[in-house]
Amino acid sequence: EVQLVESGGGLVKPGGSLRLSCAASGFTFSSYSMNWVRQAPGKGLEWVSSISSSSSYIYYADSVKGRFTISRDNAKNSLYLQMNSLRAEDTAVYYCARARRYCSGGSCYDSYFDYWGQGTLVTVSS
Amino acid sequence: DIQMTQSPSSLSASVGDRVTITCRASQGISNYLAWYQQKPGKVPKLLIYAASTLQSGVPSRFSGSGSGTDFTLTISSLQPEDVATYYCQKYNSASGLTFGGGTKVEIK
Repeated sequence: EVQLVESGGGLVKPGGSLRLSCAASGFTFSSYSMNWVRQAPGKGLEWVSSISSSSSYIYYADSVKGRFTISRDNAKNSLYLQMNSLRAEDTAVYYCARARRYCSGGSCYDSYFDYWGQGTLVTVSS
Repeated sequence: DIQMTQSPSSLSASVGDRVTITCRASQGISNYLAWYQQKPGKVPKLLIYAASTLQSGVPSRFSGSGSGTDFTLTISSLQPEDVATYYCQKYNSASGLTFGGGTKVEIK
C-alpha cells in the first residue's frame, strides 16, 4: 500500500524557516517524481514544487522561487521542502504527492498526482 | 502562463441529478487534464486523468471529456457521498501544474 506521511509543520514567525519531510513507503520511491502542493485555509490547491526521480529536474511555482528548496533522499525514501523567508501567505496545509509522468516530443514531464499524503499545517504568524 | 478557470464556483443539485462542471484553459493543452475530488476535511483524490480516463476504483457515474481548451466533468447521477469540491489540473508542460479554482458541489 502506498503511503506518504508528511511531518515538520508548525507555527513560525514571518521571516523564519521550516523544513518539511515526507516519508514514502509501499512503492519504489526512486522511480517517481515527487511534488509539494499546498492549500491555504478555505482556499484551493496550489502546486508548489516538483523534483524528478533522480533530482535532475526541479521546478518551483513563482510564488516560492528563491525561498523554497525541494530535495529528496532516495536511500531514505524521503522528500523534503526547505522553506525560508516565510510569509503570512505561505500559511497552508502542505501535501506531498506522487506524480505520474508522460512523455511527448522526446521530453518527459510530471503529470497528475495519483497519491497524496495527509498533509502538514504550516502557520506563519507573529 | 496558462490559466485554468472552472465554472460554476459552486452548485446545488438534487440526488440523482446529472451534474456538469466546466474547466477552461487559457491556451490549448491537448488532453493533459486531470480532475480531483476533495471531500470536506479530506485529502484530494484523483478521479480522472488524460481528460477522460477514469482512475481505478472511481465509480462509473463520473466521466470526463474535452480537449484543447474546454473540458467537462460529469456526474451522471449525483449521490450524497459526492458532496465535495472538485478541481481540474493541467499538466501540459514542465512550467507549472496549475489547478483550477475549484467547484463546490452540494446537495439541494
